[in-house]
Amino acid sequence: AQSVTQPDIHITVSEGASLELRCNYSYGATPYLFWYVQSPGQGLQLLLKYFSGDTLVQGIKGFEAEFKRSQSSFNLRKPSVHWSDAAEYFCASNTGTASKLTFGTGTRLQVTL
Amino acid sequence: DGGITQSPKYLFRKEGQNVTLSCEQNLNHDAMYWYRQDPGQGLRLIYYSQIVNDFQKGDIAEGYSVSREKKESFPLTVTSAQKNPTAFYLCASSFQDGGYSYNEQFFGPGTRLTVL
Repeated sequence: AQSVTQPDIHITVSEGASLELRCNYSYGATPYLFWYVQSPGQGLQLLLKYFSGDTLVQGIKGFEAEFKRSQSSFNLRKPSVHWSDAAEYFCASNTGTASKLTFGTGTRLQVTL
Repeated sequence: DGGITQSPKYLFRKEGQNVTLSCEQNLNHDAMYWYRQDPGQGLRLIYYSQIVNDFQKGDIAEGYSVSREKKESFPLTVTSAQKNPTAFYLCASSFQDGGYSYNEQFFGPGTRLTVL
């Protein structure tokens, strides 16, 4: 069965610093990969997705992610974090043959001013 | 505006009572999903439906039931058999292409259920 691992439960960065959130997946073939963001008490919003092609994908709010097959990773990055980026971030995968997303356990981002 | 609505936002229930959470979408999506979210556990799939009048169990279906009588609606009932129902419940929907669903899921704002 496929699984998604987000090794970092909680990350704190200073405003203006760069950010990288880690995500690893386990699946034999290339899955479809997603990053979502959730503000407290809210639903999830899609930041970006990877299906195929260019391994560096751009998303909303200045986020990007890079798919690395050799490392089974899909890490999320942002060059300069804003205080409004404080939220919980979820990585998810879908093999495409089933109508289900498998989520990681999430990384909570705290931004200090 | 197109989107997914969930109601109510907060719900309180006494032990032993069944309760139904509403989920409606006007995005014309074929597939709909229910997730449960607990702190530190991410989202876990309860049930999903790819077409009207059909649905499948997810990873944690015990103690829950659903129906899909209309394309726009996918209500979730939390029954008294669910041992620990206090959680945040999220509904989502997506397009479906020929049995595959590599399209992103769109999420509603969630319902927080508390058992008293």
